[in-house]
This record gives sequence, C-alpha cells and structure tokens, in this order.
Amino acid sequence: HVQLVESGGGVVQPGGSLRLSCEASGFSFSDYGMSWVRQARGKGLEWVALIRNDGKNKEYADPVKGRFTISRDKSKKTLFLQLNSLKADDTAVYFCAKGSSSGLYPHYDYWGQGTLVTVTP
Amino acid sequence: SYVLTQPPSVSVAPGQTAKITCGGIKIGDKSVNWYQQKPGQAPLLVVFDDSDRPSGVPERLSASNSANRATLTISRVEPGDEADYYCQVWDSDLVFGGGTKLTVL
Repeated sequence: HVQLVESGGGVVQPGGSLRLSCEASGFSFSDYGMSWVRQARGKGLEWVALIRNDGKNKEYADPVKGRFTISRDKSKKTLFLQLNSLKADDTAVYFCAKGSSSGLYPHYDYWGQGTLVTVTP
Repeated sequence: SYVLTQPPSVSVAPGQTAKITCGGIKIGDKSVNWYQQKPGQAPLLVVFDDSDRPSGVPERLSASNSANRATLTISRVEPGDEADYYCQVWDSDLVFGGGTKLTVL
C-alpha cells in the first residue's frame, strides 16, 4: 500500500536552513507528481511547491520562491524540500502529497503524516 | 491570485445533512477537490473532479460544482464526520479554501 514518510523537521533559527525528506513506497514513484503542503498551527492548508513526475518541471508558491527548492531522487524514491533563509512565518507542519497522475492538474490522493518545522530565535 | 471562500464553521445534528460551500469566481469552470482533515491527522481526499469519490469514501458524501459555488454535502451525518474540510482547485497554482470546521452537535 502507498506510504509517504516525512522526516527532517526540527527547530531552526531565523535565516537558517533545513532539508525535508519524504520517502515513498507502494507505488511507482517516477510516474507521479508530488507536492509539499504546509499547515501552521491552527491554520489551513497552504500549498508550497510541486514537482512533476519527470523532475524537470517545478513550481513554487510566492511566499517561498527563491528560498525553497523541491527535488526528487527516483532511485531513492524520495522527495525533498530544501528550506533556506527561514522565517518565523515558515513555522508549520509540512506534508508531502502524492499526485493522482503525471498530468498537469492532479488531485492529491495520498498524504504523509507531516514533519514539524519550527523557526524561532 | 485565485481565492476560494469557505464558511469557517458548519454545525449539524447527527442524522441531518451538512452542506459545506466553496465560493470562487467561475469555479464551475474548474475541477474541485475536497479533503477531510481530522485533528492531528493528514488530509484525506474525499472528493475529486467535482463529484467523484475515492474508493472507501461513503456514498453519504457527495459534491457538486456550478457557476460560482461548489458544495460538499454530507448526508446522515455521523459523529465521525466531525473534521475540517478543505476545497481545492488549480488556477495558476494550487489553491486551497480556508477550510470549514464541521461540528456534529
């Protein structure tokens, strides 16, 4: 069955960096686009970044453009999110989500349990 | 950027019908997905492509989309339906509504 397991979250100072990972299993990783979605405590879902199945096409939400980088390693079946120049507003649980297809506009049919990023002095 | 508007909360008694709306300009021209999120859990896809249900989602959950409003309808509401519900569409990027907390009285 499909599993997505995030890791890499933690406490970091403003301006610092973190690298989140999402290990996938139970499906053909190379065939599906993936996204990162975050959720601040008590707030709603906020899309962060997506990467198409081929790894070549990537898109980012405006608040993270130029600071975050999404990537994937098909041999390791792992999705990554590099977080740089972190701000307090980046504090959130970060979920990885599997797209339903390789297409341009998938829905997200499986989600990981999330990893918490806390940005604090 | 495209905005999806949901009511912050909806309350309903067990056995009744809950309707959760998602407003957006010409949302009827877009494909709407709905996610359910219970406290401390990851979101769960409950409706995709306006009105399709993933396997395992009960038929009590249905949805529609037209003009400027999409609606998730939960019939015969059960205590286990209590959760936050989010609508989602694609515009220039991926957009979520603000979420609606469904309370079962």
